[in-house]
Amino acid sequence: DAKTTQPNSMESNEEEPVHLPCNHSTISGTDYIHWYRQLPSQGPEYVIHGLTSNVNNRMASLAIAEDRKSSTLILHRATLRDAAVYYCILRDWGNNAGNMLTFGGGTRLMVKP
Amino acid sequence: EAQVTQNPRYLITVTGKKLTVTCSQNMNHEYMSWYRQDPGLGLRQIYYSMNVEVTDKGDVPEGYKVSRKEKRNFPLILESPSPNQTSLYFCASSLSGRGGSPLHFGNGTRLTVT
Repeated sequence: DAKTTQPNSMESNEEEPVHLPCNHSTISGTDYIHWYRQLPSQGPEYVIHGLTSNVNNRMASLAIAEDRKSSTLILHRATLRDAAVYYCILRDWGNNAGNMLTFGGGTRLMVKP
Repeated sequence: EAQVTQNPRYLITVTGKKLTVTCSQNMNHEYMSWYRQDPGLGLRQIYYSMNVEVTDKGDVPEGYKVSRKEKRNFPLILESPSPNQTSLYFCASSLSGRGGSPLHFGNGTRLTVT
């Protein structure tokens, strides 16, 4: 299974943009890139996903490198409620891919007022 | 409201006493899975199910069983719990097992085995 690598922690100031990186150098052509975040005492929450093109939704933007070996989750204006652990995972498109999903340690985002 | 519901939220038990953690989703999702979360180890997949009557092992299946007799339910069974199964457990579901389907997680079950 392709794995992802993320920094352990990052800090940001409130109302500033945040760029959370993820490396996935062994990504396969059929892997989707997913991002989730986990607030304290809650289950992980879906943020965004993409395959090749950059994606935007109401929560964030996802920038995918041209070679797909890395991606960046962009929070356009961080708020205190964005303080969480952010996970980047790969999910195969294939119908019978085994579908084991591996969440690494994620990036703990701290937002300073 | 679309959701994944786990019960109980908290459970304290003793070594060897069989227990079941229930997971139910109301979104008609085909795919369901179980994870455990331990400090410093992130989320590790225990078992997953691509559809009814189809289950497969994840990264850490030892000591656990699952069943998928109906689409909405995916219980996690610990036949003989041990202290090393003390952990925070999450159930998740998605429309399909295909890569473009976002996962929906429950709020977790904190299990303590003494």
